[in-house]
Amino acid sequence: ETGVTQSPTHLIKTRGQQVTLRCSSQSGHNTVSWYQQALGQGPQFIFQYYREEENGRGNFPPRFSGLQFPNYSSELNVNALELDDSALYLCASRADRETYEQYFGPGTRLTVT
Amino acid sequence: AQSVTQLGSHVSVSEGALVLLRCNYSSSVPPYLFWYVQYPNQGLQLLLKYTSAATLVKGINGFEAEFKKSETSFHLTKPSAHMSDAAEYFCAVSYGGSQGNLIFGKGTKLSVKP
Repeated sequence: ETGVTQSPTHLIKTRGQQVTLRCSSQSGHNTVSWYQQALGQGPQFIFQYYREEENGRGNFPPRFSGLQFPNYSSELNVNALELDDSALYLCASRADRETYEQYFGPGTRLTVT
Repeated sequence: AQSVTQLGSHVSVSEGALVLLRCNYSSSVPPYLFWYVQYPNQGLQLLLKYTSAATLVKGINGFEAEFKKSETSFHLTKPSAHMSDAAEYFCAVSYGGSQGNLIFGKGTKLSVKP
C-alpha cells in the first residue's frame, strides 16, 4: 500500500510569484485535505477535495486554490505569494469523507523571499 | 470557534521517566480526538485516536491517552520515555461530518534527557 506522497520536497519562491504543490493520496483514498503549518505552529486547514470538488474551506483567501483529479491526486496553487506564506504544506488523505482518520504526507517546505 | 489547547510548548523528561502531554478541547459536544507525532523535517504520524469507543485508547510506541468528558481532556501518556520519543506532538480534534477537518493544537515539543 503506497502512502501519501508530495512534491516537491522544498521550494523557494519570490514574493508575488505563483506556486503549485502536488499530492498523491494513499491508494483507495478519495478525499484529500491540505494544511499549512507555519514555523512553531500546529497545522491549519486550508481546504478539502472530495471527488474533484472543493468540500470545505478554512480561513484562507481565494489566492489559495486547488484541484483534484480523477485519480484523486491533488494540487494546491497559491497566487501572489506573500512572505507569510512561508510554511510547511501538508497533504492528508482519507478513505472517504465520512471516515475520521487522515494520513499525512511528508510535506512541502515553501520559502518565500 | 472550536479550539484545542496543549499546555506546555516544551516538555523535558529523563529517559525512563513518565511522559505526560496535556490536551484540552473546547466543545460541549465530544469530538473525535487524535494525537499525532512529528519528527524533524517529516510529516505527521498518527499515534492514536478516540472515536467514541473505549475512553482509554492505546496507540503505537507504548503511548496511550484517556478521554475525560467532564474535563474536556485527552492527555497523552507513556510510562517510560525513550530517547526515540523526542519529537513534536500535536493533539487534534474533528467533529466528523462531510468536512471533518482536523483542528490542531500548537504542539508540544518533547525532549528526552539521557
